Amino acid sequence: GQNIDQPTEMTATEGAIVQINCTYQTSGFNGLFWYQQHAGEAPTFLSYNVLDGLEEKGRFSSFLSRSKGYSYLLLKELQMKDSASYLCAVFNNAGNMLTFGGGTRLMVKP
Amino acid sequence: NAGVTQTPKFQVLKTGQSMTLQCAQDMNHEYMSWYRQDPGMGLRLIHYSVGAGITDQGEVPNGYNVSRSTTEDFPLRLLSAAPSQTSVYFCASRMYVLGSYNEQFFGPGTRLTVL
Repeated sequence: GQNIDQPTEMTATEGAIVQINCTYQTSGFNGLFWYQQHAGEAPTFLSYNVLDGLEEKGRFSSFLSRSKGYSYLLLKELQMKDSASYLCAVFNNAGNMLTFGGGTRLMVKP
Repeated sequence: NAGVTQTPKFQVLKTGQSMTLQCAQDMNHEYMSWYRQDPGMGLRLIHYSVGAGITDQGEVPNGYNVSRSTTEDFPLRLLSAAPSQTSVYFCASRMYVLGSYNEQFFGPGTRLTVL
């Protein structure tokens, strides 16, 4: 089975940097994903890591360490619109299921 | 492209009633899935399908039925609604290649309340 843990809530200041961590234990691993979800809306894809290391995409970066079962999402130059939930999800090795963590609600304050 | 569409957006049911949540996609995606989202529990997979005529169970399939008669449509049926099925339901689709990932697109969600 899959066990995915991430903090429930985080608060950060506009313009700052925030790191959202995700740890996972899985019987099979074929990639880790981060989604953003604004309140009342559907999740939207942010990033995908299948190999160890850092993937950068504009203000957002995602890191993966498969040996440690660990990932983080780094958000730079925070904006008020970044206030949302961030969902960590693991893709199993059969390629059929994407299993989500409980999500981290990020509040960006002025 | 409309992407992934879901109907209805909101629904209130009484315990024991049945209903079907509709999901359609126009991207010719083989893979479609249904999730439910409850506060603090993230998204949990209910059922999924890798093509017309093929369905399988996810993490929380009890109380739900699905069928996939066409590539475009993947309805979710609640045969006898229970208050525990109060949730937000998301349908999603993506291209399907065994062992590899393609971006998954989500519909706007259906908010279901069972009284």
